[in-house]
Parts: sequence; structure tokens; C-alpha cells
Amino acid sequence: DGGITQSPKYLFRKEGQNVTLSCEQNLNHDAMYWYRQDPGQGLRLIYYSQIVNDFQKGDIAEGYSVSREKKESFPLTVTSAQKNPTAFYLCASSALPGRGPNQPQHFGDGTRLSIL
Amino acid sequence: QKEVEQNSGPLSVPEGAIASLNCTYSDRGSQSFFWYRQYSGKSPELIMSIYSNGDKEDGRFTAQLNKASQYVSLLIRDSQPSDSATYLCAVMGDTGFQKLVFGTGTRLLVSP
Repeated sequence: DGGITQSPKYLFRKEGQNVTLSCEQNLNHDAMYWYRQDPGQGLRLIYYSQIVNDFQKGDIAEGYSVSREKKESFPLTVTSAQKNPTAFYLCASSALPGRGPNQPQHFGDGTRLSIL
Repeated sequence: QKEVEQNSGPLSVPEGAIASLNCTYSDRGSQSFFWYRQYSGKSPELIMSIYSNGDKEDGRFTAQLNKASQYVSLLIRDSQPSDSATYLCAVMGDTGFQKLVFGTGTRLLVSP
């Protein structure tokens, strides 16, 4: 089945530790995104990528890093510089619009990150 | 600051009733509008996309868009307890990059 796979489902981080969240898609989408969701808040964009080997900061990129070495993969690293990492992290992907309307984003199942 | 506003709810409706969920947005240049359903502890799931003024129907769901009033709504007919979830409104501008701006969501409770 085509879709977006995020792993792990749950992740615990120790103080001073970097952790990496995986996101893989087999939808042949060019664009991929990382969001953070906190209770009572909307989704906030961390990073996005529209093409391999290129990515841009979103609204809350501080303390995070990404790479886009393959079209299918867009891993997110939560660094020790992110002082409040506890949240629900969502990866999404979409086709680029081309000459048509903007395409919706589709989400993976998410990763819950907590501090030990 | 581009904003998308939703009433947080909860919106409580009895089973079989019509649920009406509303969303306003601040960016007059917005061109694409999406409704997502998010069950507790789960990721958002796309329900509807709408791009033109008027109504768009898909099964029990109808999305309504009024760009002049900067208003988009979602109607759920014959509401079922399984519709109980948080509904997120998301709006995309015309900048070329597909940045979605999300509202904080409206929680819907459908009672049997």
C-alpha cells in the first residue's frame, strides 16, 4: 500500500541527546514536511523540502535539523538545543501542483517524543 | 501573520443531526482550503479539499467556501458517534510554495 511511514511510534530522549525521527514515503511525492503538534495548538511547520538535496526552514526550525538525500526519505533530528522537545511529530508529503490546484498534504501516523 | 481561526468547542450534537464546523482566515490571497479529521492520539486525515466559492459535497460531508467573507465551513449530515473527533481547517496561499496554515481545530462530540 502507498503511504507514509514514520518510526518509531514512541521515542524517549535523555538530556543532551540528539534523536532522529524517520519518515519514508512511497507515494512518489516531491514535497515533504515536518510538523510539531502540542496539546491545544495547531500544527506548526518545522522544515520542508520540495526537491532532493534542498530543504527550507519553517516557522520553528531552531533546535532541529533535516536531510533530503533521497526522494522517499526525510529524517528529522531533534538536537539537544531543542529545550522543549516533548510533542507529537508529524511527517507529511504532497505532490507539487504543476499547472493544477495546490495538492493536499497527507500525513504519517506520527512519532511521540518525550524527555526522560 | 497569516491566521486561521476555529472555535475550539466542544461542539455537541445528537446522533443523526447536522454538525456545522466553521473556519475564518486572514489571508485574502488564500486559494486552497482543506478539512482534516483527527481522532485523539492519531494523525490528521484529509476529508475535503475545496478551491472555488460555493459548495462541494462528498458523501455526508459538504464543504462551503466564501472567499469574499474569508469563511470556510464543513457540514456533516447524519452525524454518527464515529464522527467524534477534532476537525482541523487548513488554508494555503498562492505563493507557489505549498505552506499550509492550520487552525487549532474544533472538537466535535456526537452523542448516541
